[in-house]
Amino acid sequence: GAVVSQHPSWVICKSGTSVKIECRSLDFQATTMFWYRQFPKQSLMLMATSNEGSKATYEQGVEKDKFLINHASLTLSTLTVTSAHPEDSSFYICSARSGLGYTGELFFGEGSRLTVL
Amino acid sequence: DAKTTQPPSMDCAEGRAANLPCNHSTISGNEYVYWYRQIHSQGPQYIIHGLKNNETNEMASLIITEDRKSSTLILPHATLRDTAVYYCIARLSSNTGKLIFGQGTTLQVKP
Repeated sequence: GAVVSQHPSWVICKSGTSVKIECRSLDFQATTMFWYRQFPKQSLMLMATSNEGSKATYEQGVEKDKFLINHASLTLSTLTVTSAHPEDSSFYICSARSGLGYTGELFFGEGSRLTVL
Repeated sequence: DAKTTQPPSMDCAEGRAANLPCNHSTISGNEYVYWYRQIHSQGPQYIIHGLKNNETNEMASLIITEDRKSSTLILPHATLRDTAVYYCIARLSSNTGKLIFGQGTTLQVKP
């Protein structure tokens, strides 16, 4: 299947700093990417939908000024957690859609584990 | 978006078939049924999807009832590496095609 890569796979930062997580589709062009967050022993929660060249669409309850999403190219989307706090510690996962239309498969990255001290 | 209901956990003996059920009684006619799994601390892995007909690939088989209100994912010969959380998702019938995850079924394959 198609490959989606995230970087970094894990990061530890101090409270108040900003952290950027990259999501790349390695062997296909992804016009749409999705960002999820997962807390321990919970399911994945969709945060936002990222479309290349336009503003991201955030799910209800997700602060767009705190979780900045940029999708500047067809193979790269970035999630920046601004002024991170311990409650932002989580597993962040991106996915990218291959193919046209909503029947295209979604492929997921390996996830990025953020720990805020 | 149609809600799906899955049992929270299941056990399966290694080498036997694992049958994971999913109810999606409110699924609309143009919503697909997708199955993903997530092994601990990894991103979800695509398994299979279908609309009306039964589907089979190298990983699993998907059986969808005629009324499309439920489906079953079958892993024909479960191995210890199949231990994971399995998610059944009704894909939203919009151009965004986003996946909304439920709680899934934790499958424990035992030796």
